[in-house]
Amino acid sequence: EPEVTQTPSHQVTQMGQEVILRCVPISNHLYFYWYRQILGQKVEFLVSFYNNEISEKSEIFDDQFSVERPDGSNFTLKIRSTKLEDSAMYFCASRGSETQYFGPGTRLLVL
Amino acid sequence: GQSLEQPSEVTAVEGAIVQINCTYQTSGFYGLSWYQQHDGGAPTFLSYNALDGLEETGRFSSFLSRSDSYGYLLLQELQMKDSASYFCAGRGYGGSQGNLIFGKGTKLSVKP
Repeated sequence: EPEVTQTPSHQVTQMGQEVILRCVPISNHLYFYWYRQILGQKVEFLVSFYNNEISEKSEIFDDQFSVERPDGSNFTLKIRSTKLEDSAMYFCASRGSETQYFGPGTRLLVL
Repeated sequence: GQSLEQPSEVTAVEGAIVQINCTYQTSGFYGLSWYQQHDGGAPTFLSYNALDGLEETGRFSSFLSRSDSYGYLLLQELQMKDSASYFCAGRGYGGSQGNLIFGKGTKLSVKP
């Protein structure tokens, strides 16, 4: 069964450093999403992406964040200058028709 | 905006039935989904209601009443492996792109 994959599974970085989180959505899906979940809290929407552009973003998704689909398979989330409060699990999701399928997540720890 | 409310914790015994309620307030609504999340894991899709009524998938059922802005997830014949967090999620912010707004989750503990 097709699935969303994410790399790396864990990322540790120093405050102020740039990180890139990678996702490979399900191949025939057209809608892509990033969510984050701070430990013990709910899943929060960050951004949606369709037709090679951002279609919606939340207040969390400020100028430090960017997304890109550099080729036909990868979907990336970049955080330019990480802050301590960016420490969270980041989930990628993709959608074909109605249902969003989530990847296993990248646990980001900012020190 | 959109917000979803659900109980923070529920405890039940193995073999029992449990219902997890979700009420929502939204300026636009495109359907209610339910996800299961085990500790450290990804949200896993369980069920989706776009229209009023009951959707049944094995031991899990989900119900939606749009007039009451209310839905629930029903888990039958509970098993220990059902211990997890359950999130209701509404499609919001214009709906057409389907981004999900999650409730805070209900932690279900299944006891022997």
